[in-house]
Amino acid sequence: EVQLVESGGGLVQPGGSLRLSCAASGFTFSDHYMDWVRQAPGKGLEWVGRTRNKANSYTTEYAASVKGRFTISRDDSKNSLYLQMNSLKTEDTAVYYCARVAVTPNGYYFDYWGQGTLVTVSS
Amino acid sequence: SYELTQPPSVSVSPGQTARITCSGDALPKKYAYWYQQKSGQAPVLVIYEDSKRPSGIPERFSGSSSGTMATLTISGAQVEDEADYYCYSTDSSGNPLFGGGTKLTVL
Repeated sequence: EVQLVESGGGLVQPGGSLRLSCAASGFTFSDHYMDWVRQAPGKGLEWVGRTRNKANSYTTEYAASVKGRFTISRDDSKNSLYLQMNSLKTEDTAVYYCARVAVTPNGYYFDYWGQGTLVTVSS
Repeated sequence: SYELTQPPSVSVSPGQTARITCSGDALPKKYAYWYQQKSGQAPVLVIYEDSKRPSGIPERFSGSSSGTMATLTISGAQVEDEADYYCYSTDSSGNPLFGGGTKLTVL
């Protein structure tokens, strides 16, 4: 059974930093691209960023709203995905989900999601 | 910038057919996907590649796509289908994009 479990959320002041983790199990983590998706309170889903697998050089991509502030990394030996968030803004307040990516010739989609971890940016 | 447009809300009575639409200029060339999100829970994939249903998803859920519009159909909607539904696709450059979401009310 595929499982994704996020951790590391909490309350942080504007300008601060936070590191989220996602522990994966039930599949060969190293084979998969992995993404972060967030959802502000009462709002819709917003893609945050992606890390590709080793075969694709672990390249990363980010949404314009977080580029230069957020960094995605992974440790395949620990089946873990990370999101380092710096220079946090109040508008970064959201539930952050890690999601496994399914790659098709036509594009990408998310076939499994974690339960999410809440990040609150407030003074 | 590219957008996927959904109606904010759809309301049906139990047993009726609910249809939720998603429009986007790239949909003639890109698959649409649909996610169900119940209150306080993570999204769940209910339709992939326009019309395929993952294992474990009830048969009353179906999808279709024609031109610039994709449609999620719930035939004989149940009270437990009440949720937010998001369409998802990628733009011509492969960038991920979600629609704004549709709140389905079944009562």
